[in-house]
Amino acid sequence: EIVLTQSPATLSLSPGERATLSCRASQSVTFYLAWYQQRPGQAPRLLIFDTSNRATGIPDRFSGSGSGTDFTLTISSLEPEDFAVYYCQQRYTWPLTFGGGTKVEIK
Amino acid sequence: EVHLVESGGGLEQPGGSLRLSCVVSEFTFRGYVMNWVRQAPGKGLEWVACINGDGTSTNYADSVEGRFTISRDNSRNTLYLQLNRLRDEDSATYYCAKGPFFGGATYFDLWGQGALVTVSS
Repeated sequence: EIVLTQSPATLSLSPGERATLSCRASQSVTFYLAWYQQRPGQAPRLLIFDTSNRATGIPDRFSGSGSGTDFTLTISSLEPEDFAVYYCQQRYTWPLTFGGGTKVEIK
Repeated sequence: EVHLVESGGGLEQPGGSLRLSCVVSEFTFRGYVMNWVRQAPGKGLEWVACINGDGTSTNYADSVEGRFTISRDNSRNTLYLQLNRLRDEDSATYYCAKGPFFGGATYFDLWGQGALVTVSS
């Protein structure tokens, strides 16, 4: 099983600041990595698929990069609605796995 | 607008059974792989099971293999998850989640609102 480790566990930032979230895989997932946002009480929402492709309707302040085992989600300038938990997920091999999440909270 | 609506959650005793349903509208259901993903209270996401567009291929997480069964009825636009031999650790919100392909390992581009399953005596 591929283990995804997200860091930091919590990121405390102010609106307008840049957020950089990390996801590290225990073995290469090539580029088959996705990112999701989950707001309190809501279902997850797809942000980025296959490393760097924004899902439909996702603002361009969200971007993804990386390859192999190291991936990054960047939010260029935090909006109030961006304070949430973010998960990465790999689809390179079975079982599909998620990272443990990074909570972006208001400083 | 596309909708995925889960139902069938509730309270069940350890060793018991439940069946979850997910009714889908506004897209060609039979063309897409479907999954169940769960989230224990206050915890992260865990993929549970996957079924391809015509129901001929399934995959399961080790934690549920042999106890849970994923199925689909394309004539009813409905996805199912049969949960048997329930354990305390199966308590979670169960989401149905669509993939953008016919089959195979996928990411999840649409999610339902979730169905809560509580296993407790």
